[in-house]
Amino acid sequence: SAVISQKPSRDICQRGTSLTIQCQVDSQVTMMFWYRQQPGQSLTLIATANQGSEATYESGFVIDKFPISRPNLTFSTLTVSNMSPEDSSIYLCSVREGQFYGYTFGSGTRLTVV
Amino acid sequence: DAKTTQPPSMDCAEGRAANLPCNHSTISGNEYVYWYRQIHSQGPQYIIHGLKNNETNEMASLIITEDRKSSTLILPHATLRDTAVYYCIVRVQGGKLIFGQGTELSVKP
Repeated sequence: SAVISQKPSRDICQRGTSLTIQCQVDSQVTMMFWYRQQPGQSLTLIATANQGSEATYESGFVIDKFPISRPNLTFSTLTVSNMSPEDSSIYLCSVREGQFYGYTFGSGTRLTVV
Repeated sequence: DAKTTQPPSMDCAEGRAANLPCNHSTISGNEYVYWYRQIHSQGPQYIIHGLKNNETNEMASLIITEDRKSSTLILPHATLRDTAVYYCIVRVQGGKLIFGQGTELSVKP
């Protein structure tokens, strides 16, 4: 299965600033997704990152707050903008490979906003 | 919204089979059931998935009822390292995995 490198692994940020999280995959994948996991909670899907076009956001998530890029089939970024303490979460990248219908998850970015 | 319902927690004795139930009564005919687990502070790990037939791999077995409204994940010989949160997920339109709340499995010596 695909190997995902997610950076940074953790960060502590000041409120009002923005953080960009990178997701690099070692092979071309058909689909890429971004999730948020708030403390003690399950994973919530933020958006599907579409290659060469705007991401598709789930209800409750907007592009101005969580802009996403996917310039090619192996790389995507998620930006958390104008952060507040409520944005403190683990953010995870996930990919789906064409010939293997399972989904692989990165190890996540643990974000703390102070 | 998630299409699955799971008990919030379960215990299992080490070496015994762990049977984790999942209800997905609103599943559609072409929607797959996936199981993942998450060990503290790590990304979810794929276990198994299926559509209609029972499935088995080196990690677990997946039993899906004939009406597909529920399924059971079986870990045949649970070890302490199987302690984790187990998620039963229905893959919905658009190829998305929508997570429910999961079952926290505690394997005890």
